[in-house]
Amino acid sequence: AQKITQTQPGMFVQEKEAVTLDCTYDTSDQSYGLFWYKQPSSGEMIFLIYQGSYDEQNATEGRYSLNFQKARKSANLVISASQLGDSAMYFCAMREGQGEYGNKLVFGAGTILRVKS
Amino acid sequence: ETGVTQSPTHLIKTRGQQVTLRCSSQSGHNTVSWYQQALGQGPQFIFQYYREEENGRGNFPPRFSGLQFPNYSSELNVNALELDDSALYLCASSPEGGQGGGYTFGSGTRLTVV
Repeated sequence: AQKITQTQPGMFVQEKEAVTLDCTYDTSDQSYGLFWYKQPSSGEMIFLIYQGSYDEQNATEGRYSLNFQKARKSANLVISASQLGDSAMYFCAMREGQGEYGNKLVFGAGTILRVKS
Repeated sequence: ETGVTQSPTHLIKTRGQQVTLRCSSQSGHNTVSWYQQALGQGPQFIFQYYREEENGRGNFPPRFSGLQFPNYSSELNVNALELDDSALYLCASSPEGGQGGGYTFGSGTRLTVV
Protein backbone atom coordinates (compact mmCIF):
# COMPACT_ATOMS: atom_id res chain seq x y z
CA ALA A 1 0.00 0.00 0.00
CA GLN A 2 1.20 3.47 -0.78
CA LYS A 3 1.41 6.07 1.91
CA ILE A 4 2.13 9.75 2.28
CA THR A 5 3.44 11.15 5.55
CA GLN A 6 3.35 14.80 6.51
CA THR A 7 4.87 15.11 9.96
CA GLN A 8 4.16 18.80 10.55
CA PRO A 9 0.56 19.38 11.65
CA GLY A 10 1.13 23.13 11.72
CA MET A 11 3.80 25.62 10.74
CA PHE A 12 4.34 29.35 11.25
CA VAL A 13 6.46 31.52 8.98
CA GLN A 14 7.21 35.21 8.95
CA GLU A 15 6.01 37.12 5.93
CA LYS A 16 8.68 37.32 3.19
CA GLU A 17 10.60 34.38 4.67
CA ALA A 18 10.95 30.94 3.06
CA VAL A 19 9.34 27.83 4.52
CA THR A 20 9.72 24.11 3.88
CA LEU A 21 6.83 21.70 4.27
CA ASP A 22 7.89 18.09 4.67
CA CYS A 23 6.54 15.08 2.82
CA THR A 24 7.78 11.52 2.70
CA TYR A 25 6.21 8.75 0.68
CA ASP A 26 6.26 5.02 0.47
CA THR A 27 5.78 3.10 -2.76
CA SER A 28 7.09 0.08 -4.56
CA ASP A 29 6.12 1.49 -7.96
CA GLN A 30 8.89 2.71 -10.23
CA SER A 31 6.62 5.19 -11.97
CA TYR A 32 4.69 7.61 -9.83
CA GLY A 33 3.87 11.27 -9.54
CA LEU A 34 4.04 13.59 -6.57
CA PHE A 35 1.82 16.61 -6.11
CA TRP A 36 1.36 19.49 -3.73
CA TYR A 37 -2.01 21.13 -3.29
CA LYS A 38 -3.11 24.19 -1.33
CA GLN A 39 -6.52 24.17 0.30
CA PRO A 40 -7.80 27.49 1.65
CA SER A 41 -10.75 27.59 4.01
CA SER A 42 -13.09 27.71 1.02
CA GLY A 43 -12.29 24.06 0.39
CA GLU A 44 -11.06 24.12 -3.18
CA MET A 45 -7.94 22.05 -3.82
CA ILE A 46 -5.50 24.25 -5.71
CA PHE A 47 -2.70 22.55 -7.66
CA LEU A 48 0.73 23.98 -6.88
CA ILE A 49 3.43 21.75 -8.30
CA TYR A 50 4.11 18.30 -9.75
CA GLN A 51 7.17 16.02 -9.83
CA GLY A 52 7.37 12.85 -11.86
CA SER A 53 9.43 9.98 -10.51
CA TYR A 54 11.67 10.03 -13.58
CA ASP A 55 12.16 13.79 -13.62
CA GLU A 56 15.80 14.53 -12.93
CA GLN A 57 15.32 18.21 -12.20
CA ASN A 58 13.44 19.48 -9.18
CA ALA A 59 10.15 21.05 -10.21
CA THR A 60 9.65 24.78 -9.81
CA GLU A 61 6.55 26.92 -10.28
CA GLY A 62 7.04 30.55 -9.43
CA ARG A 63 7.59 30.81 -5.65
CA TYR A 64 7.07 27.07 -5.23
CA SER A 65 9.78 24.47 -5.62
CA LEU A 66 9.79 20.79 -4.85
CA ASN A 67 12.88 19.32 -3.22
CA PHE A 68 12.75 15.79 -4.61
CA GLN A 69 15.10 13.27 -2.98
CA LYS A 70 14.21 9.95 -4.55
CA ALA A 71 16.55 7.77 -2.51
CA ARG A 72 15.12 9.19 0.70
CA LYS A 73 11.58 9.12 -0.70
CA SER A 74 10.97 12.71 0.22
CA ALA A 75 9.25 15.47 -1.72
CA ASN A 76 9.38 18.63 0.36
CA LEU A 77 7.65 21.82 -0.76
CA VAL A 78 9.60 25.05 -0.47
CA ILE A 79 7.69 28.30 -0.56
CA SER A 80 9.90 31.35 -0.99
CA ALA A 81 9.01 34.90 0.01
CA SER A 82 5.91 33.89 1.97
CA GLN A 83 2.82 36.04 1.63
CA LEU A 84 -0.18 36.40 3.92
CA GLY A 85 -2.29 34.75 1.24
CA ASP A 86 -0.21 31.60 1.57
CA SER A 87 -1.95 30.81 4.86
CA ALA A 88 -3.85 27.60 4.17
CA MET A 89 -3.73 23.83 4.48
CA TYR A 90 -1.17 22.14 2.26
CA PHE A 91 -1.43 18.55 1.09
CA CYS A 92 1.18 16.30 -0.41
CA ALA A 93 -0.24 13.61 -2.68
CA MET A 94 0.98 10.76 -4.83
CA ARG A 95 -0.51 9.38 -8.01
CA GLU A 96 -0.80 5.65 -7.67
CA GLY A 97 -0.26 3.61 -10.78
CA GLN A 98 -0.10 4.94 -14.30
CA GLY A 99 -2.28 5.36 -17.30
CA GLU A 100 -6.02 5.72 -17.29
CA TYR A 101 -6.39 2.81 -14.87
CA GLY A 102 -4.32 4.37 -12.16
CA ASN A 103 -5.28 7.96 -11.63
CA LYS A 104 -5.95 7.60 -7.92
CA LEU A 105 -4.34 10.19 -5.68
CA VAL A 106 -3.25 9.29 -2.17
CA PHE A 107 -3.08 12.27 0.17
CA GLY A 108 -1.21 12.99 3.35
CA ALA A 109 -2.87 14.41 6.45
CA GLY A 110 -1.85 17.93 5.57
CA THR A 111 0.09 20.80 7.15
CA ILE A 112 -1.57 24.05 8.21
CA LEU A 113 0.63 27.00 7.32
CA ARG A 114 0.15 30.36 8.99
CA VAL A 115 2.04 33.38 7.67
CA LYS A 116 2.64 36.11 10.25
CA SER A 117 2.94 39.78 9.34
CA GLU B 1 -11.35 26.80 -20.58
CA THR B 2 -13.89 26.06 -17.87
CA GLY B 3 -12.83 24.45 -14.65
CA VAL B 4 -14.53 21.78 -12.56
CA THR B 5 -17.94 22.74 -11.23
CA GLN B 6 -19.66 20.96 -8.37
CA SER B 7 -23.22 21.30 -7.17
CA PRO B 8 -24.66 21.91 -4.74
CA THR B 9 -22.08 23.74 -2.63
CA HIS B 10 -23.75 22.88 0.65
CA LEU B 11 -26.29 20.26 1.60
CA ILE B 12 -27.98 19.10 4.79
CA LYS B 13 -29.58 15.66 4.87
CA THR B 14 -31.14 13.44 7.47
CA ARG B 15 -29.68 10.08 8.42
CA GLY B 16 -31.09 7.34 6.20
CA GLN B 17 -31.80 9.63 3.25
CA GLN B 18 -30.17 9.48 -0.15
CA VAL B 19 -28.12 12.22 -1.80
CA THR B 20 -26.82 12.97 -5.29
CA LEU B 21 -23.84 15.22 -5.87
CA ARG B 22 -22.90 16.50 -9.31
CA CYS B 23 -19.67 17.38 -11.04
CA SER B 24 -18.89 18.80 -14.45
CA SER B 25 -15.40 18.03 -15.68
CA GLN B 26 -12.95 20.49 -17.16
CA SER B 27 -13.04 20.83 -20.91
CA GLY B 28 -10.84 18.18 -22.52
CA HIS B 29 -10.84 15.92 -19.46
CA ASN B 30 -12.46 12.49 -19.72
CA THR B 31 -11.66 11.05 -16.31
CA VAL B 32 -13.46 11.99 -13.11
CA SER B 33 -12.63 10.90 -9.59
CA TRP B 34 -14.38 11.55 -6.31
CA TYR B 35 -12.87 12.08 -2.88
CA GLN B 36 -14.29 12.33 0.62
CA GLN B 37 -12.58 14.70 3.01
CA ALA B 38 -13.61 14.46 6.64
CA LEU B 39 -12.94 17.46 8.84
CA GLY B 40 -9.25 17.84 9.62
CA GLN B 41 -8.16 14.99 7.35
CA GLY B 42 -6.77 14.52 3.89
CA PRO B 43 -9.08 13.50 1.04
CA GLN B 44 -9.82 9.80 0.63
CA PHE B 45 -10.37 8.28 -2.81
CA ILE B 46 -13.90 7.00 -3.36
CA PHE B 47 -13.88 5.95 -7.02
CA GLN B 48 -12.97 7.00 -10.52
CA TYR B 49 -14.84 6.99 -13.80
CA TYR B 50 -13.22 6.74 -17.20
CA ARG B 51 -15.23 6.53 -20.41
CA GLU B 52 -18.44 6.09 -18.40
CA GLU B 53 -17.19 3.10 -16.45
CA GLU B 54 -15.91 2.79 -12.91
CA ASN B 55 -12.26 1.77 -13.14
CA GLY B 56 -11.01 2.20 -9.61
CA ARG B 57 -12.58 2.19 -6.17
CA GLY B 58 -11.39 2.99 -2.69
CA ASN B 59 -12.47 1.43 0.58
CA PHE B 60 -16.07 2.64 0.50
CA PRO B 61 -19.22 0.53 0.83
CA PRO B 62 -21.56 -0.16 -2.12
CA ARG B 63 -24.01 2.48 -0.93
CA PHE B 64 -21.55 4.91 -2.52
CA SER B 65 -22.16 4.71 -6.24
CA GLY B 66 -21.65 6.88 -9.24
CA LEU B 67 -22.22 7.58 -12.89
CA GLN B 68 -20.36 9.26 -15.69
CA PHE B 69 -22.23 10.68 -18.65
CA PRO B 70 -21.18 10.94 -22.31
CA ASN B 71 -20.16 14.57 -21.75
CA TYR B 72 -17.85 13.28 -18.96
CA SER B 73 -19.82 14.92 -16.17
CA SER B 74 -20.41 12.71 -13.17
CA GLU B 75 -22.67 12.04 -10.22
CA LEU B 76 -21.94 10.62 -6.80
CA ASN B 77 -24.85 8.93 -5.08
CA VAL B 78 -24.90 7.96 -1.44
CA ASN B 79 -27.74 5.84 -0.09
CA ALA B 80 -28.76 5.28 3.52
CA LEU B 81 -26.80 8.26 4.78
CA GLU B 82 -24.93 7.91 8.05
CA LEU B 83 -23.68 10.62 10.37
CA ASP B 84 -20.08 9.75 9.42
CA ASP B 85 -20.84 10.61 5.81
CA SER B 86 -20.69 14.27 6.81
CA ALA B 87 -17.71 15.61 4.90
CA LEU B 88 -16.48 17.71 2.01
CA TYR B 89 -16.87 15.79 -1.23
CA LEU B 90 -14.39 16.76 -3.89
CA CYS B 91 -14.52 15.94 -7.56
CA ALA B 92 -11.41 15.99 -9.73
CA SER B 93 -11.14 15.69 -13.48
CA SER B 94 -8.07 14.72 -15.45
CA PRO B 95 -7.13 14.10 -19.06
CA GLU B 96 -6.59 10.61 -20.41
CA GLY B 97 -3.88 8.90 -18.43
CA GLY B 98 -3.78 11.56 -15.77
CA GLN B 99 -0.12 12.05 -16.50
CA GLY B 100 1.66 15.05 -15.16
CA GLY B 101 -0.16 17.56 -13.03
CA GLY B 102 -3.40 17.20 -14.94
CA TYR B 103 -5.82 16.95 -12.02
CA THR B 104 -8.28 19.79 -11.57
CA PHE B 105 -10.44 19.87 -8.47
CA GLY B 106 -13.76 21.53 -7.92
CA SER B 107 -14.62 23.56 -4.85
CA GLY B 108 -16.46 20.65 -3.31
CA THR B 109 -19.84 19.94 -1.79
CA ARG B 110 -20.12 20.18 1.98
CA LEU B 111 -22.54 17.50 3.12
CA THR B 112 -23.91 17.54 6.64
CA VAL B 113 -25.91 14.53 7.84
CA VAL B 114 -28.04 15.14 10.91
